[in-house]
Amino acid sequence: LAKTTQPISMDSYEGQEVNITCSHNNIATNDYITWYQQFPSQGPRFIIQGYKTKVTNEVASLFIPADRKSSTLSLPRVSLSDTAVYYCLVGVSAAGNKLTFGGGTRVLVKP
Amino acid sequence: DTEVTQTPKHLVMGMTNKKSLKCEQHMGHRAMYWYKQKAKKPPELMFVYSYEKLSINESVPSRFSPECPNSSLLNLHLHALQPEDSALYLCASSQDPGENYGYTFGSGTRLTVV
Repeated sequence: LAKTTQPISMDSYEGQEVNITCSHNNIATNDYITWYQQFPSQGPRFIIQGYKTKVTNEVASLFIPADRKSSTLSLPRVSLSDTAVYYCLVGVSAAGNKLTFGGGTRVLVKP
Repeated sequence: DTEVTQTPKHLVMGMTNKKSLKCEQHMGHRAMYWYKQKAKKPPELMFVYSYEKLSINESVPSRFSPECPNSSLLNLHLHALQPEDSALYLCASSQDPGENYGYTFGSGTRLTVV
């Protein structure tokens, strides 16, 4: 299983863009990169998933370089409600496979 | 229905009690998971069920006993727990093999062992 490394914490201000980079040097050919958001005392929530290049949805963008050894989650114009822990997971999300959470990044958005 | 529902939301139990956590999904997902999460730590995988069969047990102590009665339900039976087992227990589900979508998590059961 590919191990992931993320910054422990990041501070930002409302309206700014937040970029969180995840390192996954031993990512396998079939692995996807998935990001989750978790608020206190709630289950993680799927944000975005990608395999290569760039993926964008209504919540975030995910940038994956050609070598796929890292990825960057971009949250545009954050608000106070984006304060949460963000997890980068690498693996195959197919049913029955096990996905292991890394340490996650605590993002604090300040007014 | 796009949710995973967990009950109860909170549970306090003594070390000699027997209790069960319940998880339900009606999205047609064929894999279901139990995770344990301690405060300020990432979720840790406990069990994986695929097509109603236990496929992964992450060396979890036998005082935790999972059960998958059908494709929509997942239970976690608890017996003779220790105070260190107090944690947030999360259930998740995911779609069929070949479909590479993310997991859907429930809101969890906050368990306190006294």
